[in-house]
Amino acid sequence: GAGVSQSPSNKVTEKGKDVELRCDPISGHTALYWYRQSLGQGLEFLIYFQGNSAPDKSGLPSDRFSAERTGGSVSTLTIQRTQQEDSAVYLCASSLRVESSYEQYFGPGTRLTVT
Amino acid sequence: GESVGLHLPTLSVQEGDNSIINCAYSNSASDYFIWYKQESGKGPQFIIDIRSNMDKRQGQRVTVLLNKTVKHLSLQIAATQPGDSAVYFCAENLGDSWGKLQFGAGTQVVVTP
Repeated sequence: GAGVSQSPSNKVTEKGKDVELRCDPISGHTALYWYRQSLGQGLEFLIYFQGNSAPDKSGLPSDRFSAERTGGSVSTLTIQRTQQEDSAVYLCASSLRVESSYEQYFGPGTRLTVT
Repeated sequence: GESVGLHLPTLSVQEGDNSIINCAYSNSASDYFIWYKQESGKGPQFIIDIRSNMDKRQGQRVTVLLNKTVKHLSLQIAATQPGDSAVYFCAENLGDSWGKLQFGAGTQVVVTP
């Protein structure tokens, strides 16, 4: 079956602009996760959704970052007034349910470059 | 603070040999630990996980060992193949929140012929 997909695959934006990153999880997966990966670094947890709700938003770096999920499927990560330090690969993952978060399936990521 | 870290940033292994990747953790409350493999340009791929009440778990060509006494986790890859070249991450669930994984910095494994 289809895996996790993300769009766009690459995004170049000017400092100060807003960007939206999209994630389509595996069909039937109720849990969805967002991570950020800077060059040569590990993954930094941002937020996760169980259904449409986000119980833990503690990983969002600042109030410029927000995420939503509608219909228990597609999720959008929005970064407002982008800064150069926001440049990274943004990864989305999903799991059957949050209790099976030990087995997350990742998408290919969106590479964001802020100039 | 609590953290997950790796001992070796780069591991060079000859094809056919066994690989051992190490990881230290400091949160004794973690429920489980996971190993992921990330190939260049791709998202991480789940390899194997282990619960905190286990010491060892085996998969296909991989074995994860958990030593809770010294808070150490390792991934052993048997008969390493060129396709095993990747960055390997350990991750832990912090026990206070389902879904929130903390990842280590990663180890680059390079398989040489």
